[in-house]
Amino acid sequence: ETGVTQTPRHLVMGMTNKKSLKCEQHLGHNAMYWYKQSAKKPLELMFVYSLEERVENNSVPSRFSPECPNSSHLFLHLHTLQPEDSALYLCASSQQIPTGASTDTQYFGPGTRLTVL
Amino acid sequence: KNQVEQSPQSLIILEGKNCTLQCNYTVSPFSNLRWYKQDTGRGPVSLTIMTFSENTKSNGRYTATLDADTKQSSLHITASQLSDSASYICVVSAGGGSYIPTFGRGTSLIVHP
Repeated sequence: ETGVTQTPRHLVMGMTNKKSLKCEQHLGHNAMYWYKQSAKKPLELMFVYSLEERVENNSVPSRFSPECPNSSHLFLHLHTLQPEDSALYLCASSQQIPTGASTDTQYFGPGTRLTVL
Repeated sequence: KNQVEQSPQSLIILEGKNCTLQCNYTVSPFSNLRWYKQDTGRGPVSLTIMTFSENTKSNGRYTATLDADTKQSSLHITASQLSDSASYICVVSAGGGSYIPTFGRGTSLIVHP
């Protein structure tokens, strides 16, 4: 176990549904991340939070809405998704946002496998 | 544009054999390079991290090398085990204040008994 948990592990939803993904880290880290992993494609960084403030929104459609109520929890709210949004959604955390020469390691959760019908 | 290219895309080897995975990058300015292992249905787990001044880093049977001049890295797996079957992802981070890493597509390794 990496100290980062995600629920649910699997989710199937229709295009008109509203659902939320949850991530919790037990490592005392200050930075949290959402990634999207599609088949045969590199991981795509979606959002970055540092001390509960969003510091990066990597051109993500508004149908994805993140929320970070505290430094241990991160949510991804989903609404009116498209079939191409089906992917593995990974949450990660690190001690701080790695800038410059920082070698801070990101610890990933197991991911939520999302299928949009 | 920052890019990370990995080869081969997939690899099948017999248990006990050695193998080497390649990573070429064009990320600039370079800060560090990481190799991750991702088991099926799991999140990536960090294996090694190297900065500009490091040429090699080992983690058990995994040895990573870095040539910052040619912008190439390799991950060598010695005496492979069935549990080594996974996707191996090369990730390069840029310096200069950027904190968005560039991920490779990964190499899928299958170890057969």
